[in-house]
Amino acid sequence: QVQVQQWGAGLLKPSETLSLTCAVYGRSLSGYYWTWIRQPPGKGLEWIGEINQIGTTNYNPSLRSRVTVSQDTSKRQFSLRLTSVTAADTGVYYCAGGRYTSGMGTYWGPGTLVSVSS
Amino acid sequence: DIQMTQSPSSLSASLGDRVTITCRASQGIANYLAWYQQKPGKVPNLLIYATSTLQSGVPGRFSGSGSGTTFTLTITNLQPEDVATYFCQNYYTAPRTFGPGTKVEIK
Repeated sequence: QVQVQQWGAGLLKPSETLSLTCAVYGRSLSGYYWTWIRQPPGKGLEWIGEINQIGTTNYNPSLRSRVTVSQDTSKRQFSLRLTSVTAADTGVYYCAGGRYTSGMGTYWGPGTLVSVSS
Repeated sequence: DIQMTQSPSSLSASLGDRVTITCRASQGIANYLAWYQQKPGKVPNLLIYATSTLQSGVPGRFSGSGSGTTFTLTITNLQPEDVATYFCQNYYTAPRTFGPGTKVEIK
């Protein structure tokens, strides 16, 4: 059974860097896309970016200048880094994974609430 | 980038009703369309991928159809546990955009 756990700082000040990590249990990272998605309070889902098994990344153009997704396949972990955060970056951040042929969102982490406030 | 729209933004239906949600893509995405259900305060859950393939464990009252730019999610025999917001997602190409969501309530 595949499980995904995530962790990272939940309270940031403007201009700081958001760092979150997800760990995958029950399988390797191989063959799957691993994705970061966020949800501002009371709003919809926003796709942030992804990384695949060979380390190729894709990012939301609106965040591309500030975001980095990386992975450590030996630890079965993947990470999100978002620089220069503002209040607009407040929300629940989810990690998710799945095969391209199966919708890419089969497994989800529990979410991390990130608040940006001075 | 491919933009996704959904209609309606919200709906209220009676138990046992048939409910249909429409999702439209700004350009063709073949059948690379997924539907997610998010109950209040919970993590989104994959319902359907490849337009019409039910994820394991999803009740058979959920179905999906469409191709190209227009897709539908249908819930037949609406149940209390179906109260949720439903999101479509393009995964044909990055950025893998989500629709704005449709909130389903019981009348």
